[in-house]
Amino acid sequence: EAQVTQNPRYLITVTGKKLTVTCSQNMNHEYMSWYRQDPGLGLRQIYYSMNVEVTDKGDVPEGYKVSRKEKRNFPLILESPSPNQTSLYFCASSLRTGIYQPQHFGDGTRLSIL
Amino acid sequence: GQNIDQPTEMTATEGAIVQINCTYQTSGFNGLFWYQQHAGEAPTFLSYNVLDGLEEKGRFSSFLSRSKGYSYLLLKELQMKDSASYLCAVMDSNYQLIWGAGTKLIIKP
Repeated sequence: EAQVTQNPRYLITVTGKKLTVTCSQNMNHEYMSWYRQDPGLGLRQIYYSMNVEVTDKGDVPEGYKVSRKEKRNFPLILESPSPNQTSLYFCASSLRTGIYQPQHFGDGTRLSIL
Repeated sequence: GQNIDQPTEMTATEGAIVQINCTYQTSGFNGLFWYQQHAGEAPTFLSYNVLDGLEEKGRFSSFLSRSKGYSYLLLKELQMKDSASYLCAVMDSNYQLIWGAGTKLIIKP
């Protein structure tokens, strides 16, 4: 089954404790992206990757890191999480970037930073 | 700056028709997407418009006017399961998606 898989689905942790949210897709997609979603603000892009070893900042990259060593994986790293990073996070992928390239989303990761 | 505007919330009756509007101002235009998102779940792709006009897909239709920076999503024969948020997103000149905040649609029996 074609899918984007995120782990964990839920995480409660404390300020300053490094964490990684994994994202994997099995569709051989070139483009991958991380979003956060907060009430009333819609989806905001954190980082994106056009292909292996190519990553770029989105609209809200501060406090986050990513890597794209393999095509299928795009982990999101919070080196020193803070309470303002409490949010619902989505990983998404598309075959490539361009016209008529809908993004496929993972089920989301709800992070609570205390 | 880039901006997408949608109503925050709409209410409609089961079996009726509802139109959700989206206006945009972006740096370039490479298409407009509509996604459906049920509470706590992932957004799922509904439709894509890149040329002016109406695209119909079953009970859902999407319209685009590039000259007016305007789109709408039309939902017919509303069902309770259509209660969800509907997200409008525009692909800009860099092929990045600019997202609206979403319209929460409440369906009443």
